[in-house]
Amino acid sequence: NAGVTQTPKFRVLKTGQSMTLLCAQDMNHEYMYWYRQDPGMGLRLIHYSVGEGTTAKGEVPDGYNVSRLKKQNFLLGLESAAPSQTSVYFCASSYTRGAYEQYFGPGTRLTVT
Amino acid sequence: GEDVEQSLFLSVREGDSSVINCTYTDSSSTYLYWYKQEPGAGLQLLTYIFSNMDMKQDQRLTVLLNKKDKHLSLRIADTQTGDSAIYFCAESYDKIIFGKGTRLHILP
Repeated sequence: NAGVTQTPKFRVLKTGQSMTLLCAQDMNHEYMYWYRQDPGMGLRLIHYSVGEGTTAKGEVPDGYNVSRLKKQNFLLGLESAAPSQTSVYFCASSYTRGAYEQYFGPGTRLTVT
Repeated sequence: GEDVEQSLFLSVREGDSSVINCTYTDSSSTYLYWYKQEPGAGLQLLTYIFSNMDMKQDQRLTVLLNKKDKHLSLRIADTQTGDSAIYFCAESYDKIIFGKGTRLHILP
């Protein structure tokens, strides 16, 4: 049981480049989330999904897109990276949205130069 | 809107008790959580309490909930160097709202 995994662990992009972060979970969870963590800002929800084929905007969705084609995977895309998107990105999953534990991946550290 | 507030830093001597405080605004909260984040890792659930409880104890951890004041605290007894981490308070009703995290620093 791997839990929640994220790839890659680290990435450096130049401004304007694109990339996709992959999140995978093997717990058959319906809900999946993408957060970013910045110093002094805590966790901010970017996008989330309530099930396969669904996505919804979170608190800071601009500049990001997501897809949930398979229940176990949740992809986060940056179409044209900006330095403001330098952050640590965490994926999480849960059985229900509000009332239970969220399981977090180990994070992806992204630097945009 | 819903909000969760906690102080950003706490320094405690090894062996002393640590008390991390949190306030929240949503009176509909059904669960309140403490998550721990160690360096270079994701968040991990440490403990949680139902909103109809006022205390929960689990080994060195004691969670106190004052629902009237919307105040949650986490007490870590006999603080060890391995307790050095960021602790996030969170509350949920239909979605989970996280605080910004309290960085616990252990002094020798």
